[in-house]
Amino acid sequence: GAVVSQHPSWVICKSGTSVKIECRSLDFQATTMFWYRQFPKQSLMLMATSNEGSKATYEQGVEKDKFLINHASLTLSTLTVTSAHPEDSSFYICSARPFGNTGELFFGEGSRLTVL
Amino acid sequence: EDKVVQSPLSLVVHEGDTVTLNCSYEVTNFRSLLWYKQEKKAPTFLFMLTSSGIEKKSGRLSSILDKKELFSILNITATQTGDSAVYLCAVTAGGTSYGKLTFGQGTILTVHP
Repeated sequence: GAVVSQHPSWVICKSGTSVKIECRSLDFQATTMFWYRQFPKQSLMLMATSNEGSKATYEQGVEKDKFLINHASLTLSTLTVTSAHPEDSSFYICSARPFGNTGELFFGEGSRLTVL
Repeated sequence: EDKVVQSPLSLVVHEGDTVTLNCSYEVTNFRSLLWYKQEKKAPTFLFMLTSSGIEKKSGRLSSILDKKELFSILNITATQTGDSAVYLCAVTAGGTSYGKLTFGQGTILTVHP
């Protein structure tokens, strides 16, 4: 199946700093990527839809100024958590769908963020 | 708002048992239903279902969709300890929601030796 790579897989940072997470589709192009967040013992919640060459679409309740998304190319989307706080500690997962694919999404390995 | 509800939320069985996991949904402009298995990291894909009544099988796992009653089941026969995981059901819709997955809460399956 298609491969989506996410980096870093885990990161620890101090409160107030910013953290960037990268999501790459390694063997396919993706005009759209999705960013999810998963808190412990909870399911995945969609944060935003990242569109190549245009602004991301954020779900209700997700602060666009706090979670900056940049989809710079057909194989790369980045999520930057700005001025991170302990409540932002979570598991962040990206997913992508190959261009022309009708439904199946492929997930990155996830990035565990811990804010001290 | 799209909604996916899974049951049971958790299940504990012994090796060799058969389990059935349930997923019901309410989605505007339904497109497909997907099952994922999540162990320690990101979910891994199991099945995608788009048509009613057609069973999909992969080894000991099988799944079927009922678009009239708006639910799906995931069956695992002869369970093994390696089947212990969280099983997630998700749906996709068409239109402006195309490609977005709405997940259920997940079913935590624990298989004891």
